[in-house]
Amino acid sequence: EAGVAQSPRYKIIEKRQSVAFWCNPISGHATLYWYQQILGQGPKLLIQFQNNGVVDDSQLPKDRFSAERLKGVDSTLKIQPAKLEDSAVYLCASSRQSGGYTFGSGTRLTVV
Amino acid sequence: KQEVTQIPAALSVPEGENLVLNCSFTDSAIYNLQWFRQDPGKGLTSLLLIQSSQREQTSGRLNASLDKSSGRSTLYIAASQPGDSATYLCAPNNAGNMLTFGGGTRLMVKP
Repeated sequence: EAGVAQSPRYKIIEKRQSVAFWCNPISGHATLYWYQQILGQGPKLLIQFQNNGVVDDSQLPKDRFSAERLKGVDSTLKIQPAKLEDSAVYLCASSRQSGGYTFGSGTRLTVV
Repeated sequence: KQEVTQIPAALSVPEGENLVLNCSFTDSAIYNLQWFRQDPGKGLTSLLLIQSSQREQTSGRLNASLDKSSGRSTLYIAASQPGDSATYLCAPNNAGNMLTFGGGTRLMVKP
């Protein structure tokens, strides 16, 4: 089966600019996740979708981050405006109801 | 709230050694636990998935054990090779199919 697709692979922006990341999960995986991984740390969950509904977004900085999953398939994560501390790798993952995650290759964001 | 600790944070061993990576978690009400490998600048690759009813899982030179009641899991790597050099991440899965990650163990296997 095809893996989780993410784009872009890399992004460099100036602080206060906006940026968007895209993710296409594995076909048939109802659950989609966005994680933030700061250098040297483990990934931290930002938001979890079940189909096109939000299950958990308690750790999403809602004043600047937003995410949507239209039609319960692909998803976009947006940051507006970006801060220096948003520099990280943004990982998308999907899973079946029975568990077992598959991760994409991630988008490395550098805010300068 | 689930908290995950991985020990050691970093490990350097000569090629051929057997080694053990440790993971502990605070909330034992898990459905399963997954071990991942992450190469520098890459995403996460799933290595092993252990269901809460299982005690261990094996794949090639890798063996993962789970003691759910004590909140511990170990990843055993036999006959380590330079290609095993990577960061290894442990992630228990709690209610709502949500993974919580530890900080990882950075492994370096020297030729």
